Amino acid sequence: GAVVSQHPSWVICKSGTSVKIECRSLDFQATTMFWYRQFPKQSLMLMATSNEGSKATYEQGVEKDKFLINHASLTLSTLTVTSAHPEDSSFYICSARDRGIDTGELFFGEGSRLTVL
Amino acid sequence: DAKTTQPPSMDCAEGRAANLPCNHSTISGNEYVYWYRQIHSQGPQYIIHGLKNNETNEMASLIITEDRKSSTLILPHATLRDTAVYYCIVRPRYQKVTFGTGTKLQVIP
Repeated sequence: GAVVSQHPSWVICKSGTSVKIECRSLDFQATTMFWYRQFPKQSLMLMATSNEGSKATYEQGVEKDKFLINHASLTLSTLTVTSAHPEDSSFYICSARDRGIDTGELFFGEGSRLTVL
Repeated sequence: DAKTTQPPSMDCAEGRAANLPCNHSTISGNEYVYWYRQIHSQGPQYIIHGLKNNETNEMASLIITEDRKSSTLILPHATLRDTAVYYCIVRPRYQKVTFGTGTKLQVIP
C-alpha cells in the first residue's frame, strides 16, 4: 500500500518554542492531506484539511495561528506548532489521499509524539 | 458522515475468527463503509472498504447487509498482532475522515 512518512517520530521541546512536523507521501502524489491529534486513551481528532497550493481548512476550535499548516507540494505537508505549551503535548498524525486512487481511502503516517516541557 | 455504533470492546481467542460489528442505520446512498485500525502508539492503518457488495482482501473480509444499515469486519484467523482499536467509518469517498471511539479488540493467547 501507499506509504506516508512523518518526521520526527518524537520531539521534546521547551515551552514557548516552535516545532515543525513533516508529512510526506513517499510513493504517491497527495492533493489532500489531513492532520489529526490524539490525546492518551482518546480517539483521533481532526484538526485541519490541507490542500496542495491553497490555505488549509481548520476544524472548529482549532487555532490556525497556533497550528500553521503548509502544503507546498504534492508530496509534503508541514504542521508547525507555534509557541508550544505543555497542553500542546500530544500525538500528531497526518494522512494523505492518493490522487491516483479513485476509492477515497486514506493512508496514515506513523505519528509524531510531541512533549512540551 | 453517517453515525456509526460499535461495541467499545471485544475479546477473541488467537487463531479464531474475529467478527467486529458496526451499525450505520442512517447511511445514505453515496456513503462507503471504511475500516481502519490503530495499534497502540501507531498511526491508523487502512483495512478495507465497500459500498454495497461484500469485499475481501489479504487482511480481512467486509460483509455489508443488503439494506446497508450494518456491516461486519471479519479477521479470519486473529493473531496477537491484531490487537488494536478498530474504527468503522461511513462517508462519501472524498470527504474528510472523522473517527469515533471504535472497538478495542483484544486477542487472547
